[in-house]
Formats: sequence, C-alpha cells, structure tokens
Amino acid sequence: AQKITQTQPGMFVQEKEAVTLDCTYDTSDPSYGLFWYKQPSSGEMIFLIYQGSYDQQNATEGRYSLNFQKARKSANLVISASQLGDSAMYFCAMREGGTAGNKLTFGGGTRVLVKP
Amino acid sequence: EPEVTQTPSHQVTQMGQEVILRCVPISNHLYFYWYRQILGQKVEFLVSFYNNEISEKSEIFDDQFSVERPDGSNFTLKIRSTKLEDSAMYFCASSEQGAYQPQHFGDGTRLSIL
Repeated sequence: AQKITQTQPGMFVQEKEAVTLDCTYDTSDPSYGLFWYKQPSSGEMIFLIYQGSYDQQNATEGRYSLNFQKARKSANLVISASQLGDSAMYFCAMREGGTAGNKLTFGGGTRVLVKP
Repeated sequence: EPEVTQTPSHQVTQMGQEVILRCVPISNHLYFYWYRQILGQKVEFLVSFYNNEISEKSEIFDDQFSVERPDGSNFTLKIRSTKLEDSAMYFCASSEQGAYQPQHFGDGTRLSIL
C-alpha cells in the first residue's frame, strides 16, 4: 500500500483564490510527521510546512496552512490568496517514528498552475 | 539564510563510469540524506547518514553506491559504475537534531548517463 497518496495530479487555480491540495497517509506508527515541499520548475525542493502527529492545532506558515484530520489520516495543504509564483509541483511527505534523522517518504505530487 | 549546496548542477557521464556528487550540508546540521527523483516520478529515499555512518538505506542503494563525509563540511555520493537507469535528479538534504526538524534540500544535481 502507498504510504503517501496525492490524488490530484494537477490543478488550476485563479490568482488570489485559495487552493487545497489533498494528501492521505498510511502508517501504524503513533509518532510521525507530515511535511509539504514545493518544487518550482527550476527543480529545487523548498520546505513549506510541518505537522506532527501529536500536535493539537493545525500548522500555519504565512499563506500556507495544513488541514490535519488525524482520524481520516489526511493532511491537506491550503494555500490562501494564490500568487503566480505559487505555480509549482507540491509534494506531501511523511517521516515515521519520533526519531530525528528518519527518512521522508514522498507522495507523487500535485502540479498547481495559477492563472492570472 | 544557510542552505544546502550541491555541485555540480548537471553531470553528464558515460555508462560504466564512476561519478561523485558533492554536497555541503548546513553547518550545524547533524543528519544527512541523499534522495533521487527520476524525471516525472516521485522523490525516492536513498540513504541517511549520522555520526559518520549510514543509519538507513533503501533497496536502491546497492553495492554500486557509497557515501562519505571526507571532512567536516562535505558529504558525497559515489556511484561506482553508472547505468542508464541512474539518470535522475539527486538531492542532498540535511536536518538538525530534533524529531520535528524538517529536512532542507539542496538544489539538486541532474545526472545524465549516456
């Protein structure tokens, strides 16, 4: 079974609107972290936001917020007030276990194109 | 802001040749990683490194691969005898001590095997 599933291969969003990117995960470990990365067309991987499995509140970082629904095993990224520079590939990733240094497992990504 | 630096940005190599990809992790980070991304596919874990030894490796990381931290700043990935299927973007990443610390990625090295 896939550990990280991103069901939306691509989506369009109008500039200044919000967009939600779906991510579901599968783990039996009670301690895990969920990460979102942005990959522009230039190829680099940019860390956006993190949510820990024991965090009580949804993570927020500027225009990025994470809609964490633990019972449903979902960690959707919400980008508010989309900008043209948000056009990129977005990856959800999970680190299992509470130990620093554990590997990240990535989903297949969602390509976002912001329209002016 | 400190960043992970990778060189070269693009490497073209003949099949069967050895290649070394270089990385300078963020200076106070303790954990180092290599990932690869074949064109159009997801990012895949290769190896993690801590305290001068490999802490975990994937099935991809076979005997053709090795990692080294030759000094206090560099972290290298060596592929001994490259194959066509090794063509990919290779990312180095590093992270601080702490279970909640994100991994920070370099800009990647695009490896093309001819």
